[in-house]
Amino acid sequence: AQSVTQPDIHITVSEGASLELRCNYSYGATPYLFWYVQSPGQGLQLLLKYFSGDTLVQGIKGFEAEFKRSQSSFNLRKPSVHWSDAAEYFCAVFIQGAQKLVFGQGTRLTINP
Amino acid sequence: GAVVSQHPSRVICKSGTSVKIECRSLDFQATTMFWYRQFPKQSLMLMATSNEGSKATYEQGVEKDKFLINHASLTLSTLTVTSAHPEDSSFYICSANTWAGGPDTQYFGPGTRLTVL
Repeated sequence: AQSVTQPDIHITVSEGASLELRCNYSYGATPYLFWYVQSPGQGLQLLLKYFSGDTLVQGIKGFEAEFKRSQSSFNLRKPSVHWSDAAEYFCAVFIQGAQKLVFGQGTRLTINP
Repeated sequence: GAVVSQHPSRVICKSGTSVKIECRSLDFQATTMFWYRQFPKQSLMLMATSNEGSKATYEQGVEKDKFLINHASLTLSTLTVTSAHPEDSSFYICSANTWAGGPDTQYFGPGTRLTVL
């Protein structure tokens, strides 16, 4: 079955430190992958997406993600986090047959000053 | 571009009443709209997919008579929670895309917080 796993429910990092949020997917075909961010009480904002081509994808707010087919992963990274990055982050894979997104459980990011 | 709005942003209603939530794509035509439900500190669960002019497709376990979805135009979809009960209290989020047979980005609305007393 198609699924997305975000192993880390909650991550805390210091402001200015680097960040990596993990995402693993299970999908038989070519995956179309997304990272979204959700601030408290808000909808989701697209950070970046991977459809094909260069496996290192640049997104908004200084985020990037790398698609690794061999590891079925699409980890999100940022070299230096800001306090405003505190939010919930969701990884998702698009299921072509069902034409819908399947989300991971989400990772809550807390930033220490 | 690609803005999706929802109205209302929050609503409180009495048990047994019905509540309508609107989802609009403001600057693009959405061939497909999606309705999600999100419980506190949990992920988004897809409730249904609606295509303009046709009946919505509901996910397994979602009561179609409870959650009525209408996609009347390419820019508007509505979700009506009928005879709402406290267990229907949740955060409802819609999204829209210009699906045309291939992968596309879903653009999400800001969500509607429903509280049923």
